[in-house]
Amino acid sequence: DAGITQSPRHKVTETGTPVTLRCHQTENHRYMYWYRQDPGHGLRLIHYSYGVKDTDKGEVSDGYSVSRSKTEDFLLTLESATSSQTSVYFCAISPDPYAQYFGPGTRLTVL
Amino acid sequence: EDKVVQSPLSLVVHEGDTVTLNCSYEVTNFRSLLWYKQEKKAPTFLFMLTSSGIEKKSGRLSSILDKKELFSILNITATQTGDSAVYLCAVPHHYYNAGNNRKLIWGLGTSLAVNP
Repeated sequence: DAGITQSPRHKVTETGTPVTLRCHQTENHRYMYWYRQDPGHGLRLIHYSYGVKDTDKGEVSDGYSVSRSKTEDFLLTLESATSSQTSVYFCAISPDPYAQYFGPGTRLTVL
Repeated sequence: EDKVVQSPLSLVVHEGDTVTLNCSYEVTNFRSLLWYKQEKKAPTFLFMLTSSGIEKKSGRLSSILDKKELFSILNITATQTGDSAVYLCAVPHHYYNAGNNRKLIWGLGTSLAVNP
């Protein structure tokens, strides 16, 4: 157990509404990541963070923003959700130089 | 462009069979390769390989890296239905640890189904 929780675990929302997903870690690791996973595309990095207020874009960052005001929390926001953002979202941490450890995931459906 | 390719994309076997999953990579400044198992939930870390020819083992799972030929294999012996999962391979990006880069390049995975 890597000490990562995600909330909510499931969410159904409507197109155009804002959505915020939360990732919480208990171990004060510097690096945190947000991925989405879709059939045929595998895991794709949305944004990642290397410290409080320090974030960078991944390969599929359009339509997403992130914030990290505390070491333990990394928030992913969909400013105006679209159906193409229906996906499973995973948060991960990197406590050692290479491996990443994942949270349980959030299944998001945008109608 | 850095890339990681896994094969086959899917595989169906019977309990007791031995399977070999492949991960090939083209990544500048290669440092390591990681294997994950994903059942119907989040990926879980299995192995990290950094040196050629050294086998990592965990029970019936083993993995080896060939840095000359740029691939790794994951072997599962005496498969069980509980081995049914997607197996993912990942390699750190070639700018890994440059600045604050700690990104992984992921393969699409091999979906393994073990039938009783």
